[in-house]
Amino acid sequence: QVQLVQSGAEVKKPGASVKVSCKASGYTFTSYDINWVRQGTGQGLEWMGWMNPYTGNTGFAQKFQGRVTMTRDTSTSTVYMELSSLRSEDTAVYYCARGKEYDTLIAHYLPPAGMDVWGQGTTVTVSS
Amino acid sequence: EIVLTQSPGTLSLSPGERATLSCRASQSISSSYLAWYRQKPGQAPRLLIYGASSRATGIPDRFSGSGSGTDFTLTISRLEPEDFAVYYCQQYGSSPWTFGQGTKVEIK
Repeated sequence: QVQLVQSGAEVKKPGASVKVSCKASGYTFTSYDINWVRQGTGQGLEWMGWMNPYTGNTGFAQKFQGRVTMTRDTSTSTVYMELSSLRSEDTAVYYCARGKEYDTLIAHYLPPAGMDVWGQGTTVTVSS
Repeated sequence: EIVLTQSPGTLSLSPGERATLSCRASQSISSSYLAWYRQKPGQAPRLLIYGASSRATGIPDRFSGSGSGTDFTLTISRLEPEDFAVYYCQQYGSSPWTFGQGTKVEIK
Protein backbone atom coordinates (compact mmCIF):
# COMPACT_ATOMS: atom_id res chain seq x y z
CA GLN A 1 0.00 0.00 0.00
CA VAL A 2 1.00 3.63 -0.44
CA GLN A 3 2.89 4.79 2.61
CA LEU A 4 5.54 7.11 3.96
CA VAL A 5 7.69 5.85 6.83
CA GLN A 6 9.74 8.31 8.81
CA SER A 7 12.83 7.90 10.96
CA GLY A 8 12.71 7.74 14.72
CA ALA A 9 12.63 10.35 17.44
CA GLU A 10 15.58 12.68 17.95
CA VAL A 11 16.89 14.68 20.89
CA LYS A 12 19.23 17.53 20.02
CA LYS A 13 20.98 20.37 21.81
CA PRO A 14 20.40 24.00 20.84
CA GLY A 15 22.55 24.99 17.89
CA ALA A 16 22.76 21.46 16.51
CA SER A 17 21.19 20.08 13.33
CA VAL A 18 18.70 17.28 12.82
CA LYS A 19 18.08 15.18 9.72
CA VAL A 20 14.77 13.36 9.35
CA SER A 21 14.11 10.78 6.65
CA CYS A 22 10.90 9.89 4.86
CA LYS A 23 10.83 6.62 2.88
CA ALA A 24 8.14 6.21 0.25
CA SER A 25 6.66 2.94 -0.97
CA GLY A 26 3.68 1.70 -2.95
CA TYR A 27 3.85 4.36 -5.68
CA THR A 28 6.30 5.91 -8.15
CA PHE A 29 8.57 7.95 -5.89
CA THR A 30 9.49 10.53 -8.53
CA SER A 31 5.91 11.29 -9.47
CA TYR A 32 4.87 13.24 -6.37
CA ASP A 33 6.27 16.12 -4.34
CA ILE A 34 7.07 15.54 -0.71
CA ASN A 35 6.13 18.28 1.75
CA TRP A 36 7.24 18.78 5.32
CA VAL A 37 4.84 20.01 7.99
CA ARG A 38 5.56 20.43 11.68
CA GLN A 39 3.40 20.65 14.79
CA GLY A 40 4.53 21.99 18.13
CA THR A 41 3.13 20.39 21.27
CA GLY A 42 -0.54 21.26 21.51
CA GLN A 43 -0.17 23.57 18.52
CA GLY A 44 -1.46 23.73 14.96
CA LEU A 45 0.15 22.66 11.71
CA GLU A 46 2.94 24.63 10.03
CA TRP A 47 4.07 24.02 6.46
CA MET A 48 7.83 24.15 5.99
CA GLY A 49 8.45 23.41 2.32
CA TRP A 50 8.42 20.93 -0.54
CA MET A 51 10.69 18.88 -2.74
CA ASN A 52 10.19 17.42 -6.19
CA PRO A 53 12.03 14.08 -6.07
CA TYR A 54 12.30 13.92 -9.88
CA THR A 55 13.89 17.31 -10.51
CA GLY A 56 15.36 17.92 -7.07
CA ASN A 57 13.71 21.33 -6.97
CA THR A 58 12.70 22.67 -3.59
CA GLY A 59 10.71 25.52 -2.10
CA PHE A 60 10.60 26.70 1.48
CA ALA A 61 8.50 28.95 3.67
CA GLN A 62 10.43 32.15 4.22
CA LYS A 63 10.56 31.46 7.95
CA PHE A 64 12.84 28.47 7.31
CA GLN A 65 14.95 29.86 4.45
CA GLY A 66 18.63 29.38 5.17
CA ARG A 67 18.00 26.83 7.92
CA VAL A 68 16.32 23.96 6.09
CA THR A 69 17.69 21.66 3.43
CA MET A 70 15.80 18.95 1.56
CA THR A 71 17.54 16.19 -0.37
CA ARG A 72 16.57 12.86 -1.86
CA ASP A 73 17.97 9.44 -2.67
CA THR A 74 16.06 8.00 -5.60
CA SER A 75 17.73 4.59 -5.17
CA THR A 76 15.98 4.15 -1.83
CA SER A 77 12.91 6.36 -2.49
CA THR A 78 13.80 8.52 0.48
CA VAL A 79 13.55 12.25 1.08
CA TYR A 80 15.53 13.92 3.83
CA MET A 81 14.80 17.14 5.69
CA GLU A 82 17.64 18.75 7.62
CA LEU A 83 17.03 21.66 9.98
CA SER A 84 20.03 23.50 11.37
CA SER A 85 20.73 25.97 14.19
CA LEU A 86 18.08 24.31 16.30
CA ARG A 87 16.40 26.21 19.11
CA SER A 88 13.86 25.20 21.71
CA GLU A 89 11.02 26.53 19.54
CA ASP A 90 11.86 23.84 16.96
CA THR A 91 10.68 21.14 19.36
CA ALA A 92 7.82 19.57 17.43
CA VAL A 93 6.53 16.56 15.55
CA TYR A 94 7.73 16.71 11.96
CA TYR A 95 5.61 15.10 9.25
CA CYS A 96 6.32 14.38 5.62
CA ALA A 97 3.31 14.34 3.32
CA ARG A 98 2.77 13.52 -0.36
CA GLY A 99 1.76 16.52 -2.39
CA LYS A 100 1.43 17.53 -6.01
CA GLU A 101 1.67 14.92 -8.77
CA TYR A 102 4.34 15.57 -11.40
CA ASP A 103 4.01 14.20 -14.91
CA THR A 104 7.60 13.39 -15.79
CA LEU A 105 6.76 12.87 -19.48
CA ILE A 106 5.60 16.42 -20.03
CA ALA A 107 7.54 17.94 -17.11
CA HIS A 108 4.43 19.52 -15.70
CA TYR A 109 2.41 19.33 -12.53
CA LEU A 110 -1.14 18.04 -12.51
CA PRO A 111 -3.69 20.19 -10.66
CA PRO A 112 -2.82 19.97 -6.95
CA ALA A 113 -5.08 17.96 -4.67
CA GLY A 114 -3.88 18.57 -1.15
CA MET A 115 -1.59 16.29 0.82
CA ASP A 116 -3.07 12.82 0.62
CA VAL A 117 -0.54 10.52 2.30
CA TRP A 118 1.27 11.35 5.54
CA GLY A 119 4.12 9.80 7.43
CA GLN A 120 3.66 8.78 11.04
CA GLY A 121 5.60 11.78 12.34
CA THR A 122 9.04 12.19 13.93
CA THR A 123 9.37 13.86 17.32
CA VAL A 124 12.30 16.25 17.52
CA THR A 125 13.14 17.57 20.97
CA VAL A 126 15.59 20.44 21.35
CA SER A 127 16.86 20.75 24.90
CA SER A 128 20.07 21.62 26.66
CA GLU B 1 0.95 35.20 3.20
CA ILE B 2 -2.68 34.08 3.26
CA VAL B 3 -4.05 33.87 6.80
CA LEU B 4 -6.81 31.34 7.41
CA THR B 5 -9.17 31.88 10.33
CA GLN B 6 -11.32 28.97 11.44
CA SER B 7 -14.47 29.21 13.50
CA PRO B 8 -15.65 28.24 15.96
CA GLY B 9 -12.61 27.28 17.99
CA THR B 10 -14.55 24.46 19.63
CA LEU B 11 -17.82 22.82 18.62
CA SER B 12 -19.66 20.73 21.22
CA LEU B 13 -22.09 18.30 19.61
CA SER B 14 -23.60 14.85 20.10
CA PRO B 15 -23.11 11.80 17.86
CA GLY B 16 -25.57 11.90 14.97
CA GLU B 17 -25.73 15.70 14.92
CA ARG B 18 -24.63 17.93 12.04
CA ALA B 19 -21.39 19.88 12.26
CA THR B 20 -20.63 23.04 10.29
CA LEU B 21 -17.07 24.38 10.33
CA SER B 22 -15.96 27.64 8.77
CA CYS B 23 -12.67 28.76 7.24
CA ARG B 24 -12.15 32.36 6.14
CA ALA B 25 -9.13 33.53 4.15
CA SER B 26 -7.46 36.93 4.31
CA GLN B 27 -7.44 37.04 0.50
CA SER B 28 -9.02 35.08 -2.29
CA ILE B 29 -7.68 31.54 -2.73
CA SER B 30 -6.83 30.82 -6.35
CA SER B 31 -8.66 27.99 -8.08
CA SER B 32 -10.31 27.02 -4.80
CA TYR B 33 -7.12 25.29 -3.71
CA LEU B 34 -8.51 24.69 -0.24
CA ALA B 35 -8.26 21.41 1.68
CA TRP B 36 -9.67 20.08 4.93
CA TYR B 37 -7.95 17.61 7.25
CA ARG B 38 -9.04 15.68 10.33
CA GLN B 39 -6.51 14.95 13.04
CA LYS B 40 -7.18 12.52 15.85
CA PRO B 41 -5.00 12.67 19.01
CA GLY B 42 -1.56 11.18 18.47
CA GLN B 43 -2.12 10.67 14.74
CA ALA B 44 -1.08 12.39 11.55
CA PRO B 45 -3.68 14.53 9.78
CA ARG B 46 -5.87 12.84 7.18
CA LEU B 47 -7.00 14.55 3.99
CA LEU B 48 -10.80 14.80 3.78
CA ILE B 49 -11.53 17.40 1.10
CA TYR B 50 -9.45 19.05 -1.62
CA GLY B 51 -10.31 21.64 -4.22
CA ALA B 52 -12.82 23.03 -1.69
CA SER B 53 -15.43 20.35 -2.47
CA SER B 54 -13.87 17.09 -3.72
CA ARG B 55 -13.75 14.20 -1.31
CA ALA B 56 -10.42 12.42 -1.00
CA THR B 57 -10.17 8.70 -1.69
CA GLY B 58 -12.02 6.62 0.89
CA ILE B 59 -13.75 9.54 2.60
CA PRO B 60 -17.43 8.84 3.37
CA ASP B 61 -20.12 11.02 1.89
CA ARG B 62 -21.15 12.46 5.26
CA PHE B 63 -18.26 14.87 4.68
CA SER B 64 -18.86 17.71 2.23
CA GLY B 65 -17.03 20.91 1.42
CA SER B 66 -18.23 24.11 -0.17
CA GLY B 67 -17.22 27.69 -0.79
CA SER B 68 -14.99 29.81 -2.98
CA GLY B 69 -12.96 32.99 -2.86
CA THR B 70 -12.44 33.70 0.82
CA ASP B 71 -15.20 31.72 2.56
CA PHE B 72 -15.25 27.96 2.87
CA THR B 73 -17.27 25.43 4.87
CA LEU B 74 -16.84 21.82 5.92
CA THR B 75 -20.06 20.02 6.81
CA ILE B 76 -20.31 16.66 8.55
CA SER B 77 -23.90 15.54 8.12
CA ARG B 78 -24.06 13.02 10.98
CA LEU B 79 -21.23 12.82 13.47
CA GLU B 80 -19.74 9.39 14.05
CA PRO B 81 -17.59 8.62 17.14
CA GLU B 82 -14.39 8.85 15.07
CA ASP B 83 -15.29 12.38 13.93
CA PHE B 84 -14.63 13.90 17.34
CA ALA B 85 -11.24 15.37 16.55
CA VAL B 86 -9.52 18.56 15.38
CA TYR B 87 -10.13 19.84 11.85
CA TYR B 88 -7.78 22.06 9.87
CA CYS B 89 -8.29 23.94 6.65
CA GLN B 90 -5.28 24.58 4.42
CA GLN B 91 -4.70 26.64 1.30
CA TYR B 92 -2.25 25.48 -1.35
CA GLY B 93 -2.86 28.06 -4.03
CA SER B 94 -0.23 30.53 -2.88
CA SER B 95 3.16 30.00 -1.29
CA PRO B 96 3.66 29.68 1.59
CA TRP B 97 0.94 27.11 2.05
CA THR B 98 -0.87 27.92 5.27
CA PHE B 99 -3.20 26.21 7.72
CA GLY B 100 -5.98 27.52 9.87
CA GLN B 101 -5.58 27.26 13.63
CA GLY B 102 -8.03 24.37 13.85
CA THR B 103 -11.54 23.64 15.10
CA LYS B 104 -11.99 21.03 17.80
CA VAL B 105 -15.19 18.99 17.57
CA GLU B 106 -15.88 17.55 21.01
CA ILE B 107 -18.59 15.35 22.46
CA LYS B 108 -21.31 17.31 24.22
